[in-house]
Amino acid sequence: SQTIHQWPATLVQPVGSPLSLECTVEGTSNPNLYWYRQAAGRGLQLLFYSVGIGQISSEVPQNLSASRPQDRQFILSSKKLLLSDSGFYLCAWSVLGGSTGELFFGEGSRLTVL
Amino acid sequence: SQQGEEDPQALSIQEGENATMNCSYKTSINNLQWYRQNSGRGLVHLILIRSNEREKHSGRLRVTLDTSKKSSSLLITASRAADTASYFCATDGWAGSYQLTFGKGTKLSVIP
Repeated sequence: SQTIHQWPATLVQPVGSPLSLECTVEGTSNPNLYWYRQAAGRGLQLLFYSVGIGQISSEVPQNLSASRPQDRQFILSSKKLLLSDSGFYLCAWSVLGGSTGELFFGEGSRLTVL
Repeated sequence: SQQGEEDPQALSIQEGENATMNCSYKTSINNLQWYRQNSGRGLVHLILIRSNEREKHSGRLRVTLDTSKKSSSLLITASRAADTASYFCATDGWAGSYQLTFGKGTKLSVIP
């Protein structure tokens, strides 16, 4: 069966510090991968998606970046965090070329920038 | 911009009652999905309804879709305390796109 792991689960970082959130998927190959952010009381905002290694599409201009160094690994990064980067970050995957579009989410990473 | 908007924002009911949540969207869709999120957790897929379907059932869940009104509803029958969660609708923009756009969600509280 497929599983998705996301870490760390929580972190508190000072403004201006770097960020690295990691996500890995097991049990499937060539998945579409996504990073979403959820602000308090808000819906999910798509940040990045990837259809293959090294292929990253950005939906929202920001000081965040994403990379996909391996087929089932997706990393969200920042060189210098802003207060506005605080939120709940969710990694997700879907079947590449599948017909359902169903997303499978990780458990999330809660980031607090102070 | 948000494609789907859920209504109401919050809903509180007694255990055993039915819960109805609505979702409206703005542009044509290929399919519409409903997800559930327990507090502080990731989202879990509940049900998908395609644009050529009008109604779909899954256990205690019933989803309807009215493409002429660009709206969908999620009905949870015989609610349980464990149904307490936020519920989100999500829409895609075009066939083959998996860039789902989520609404802000309905927060459901089921009182034992």
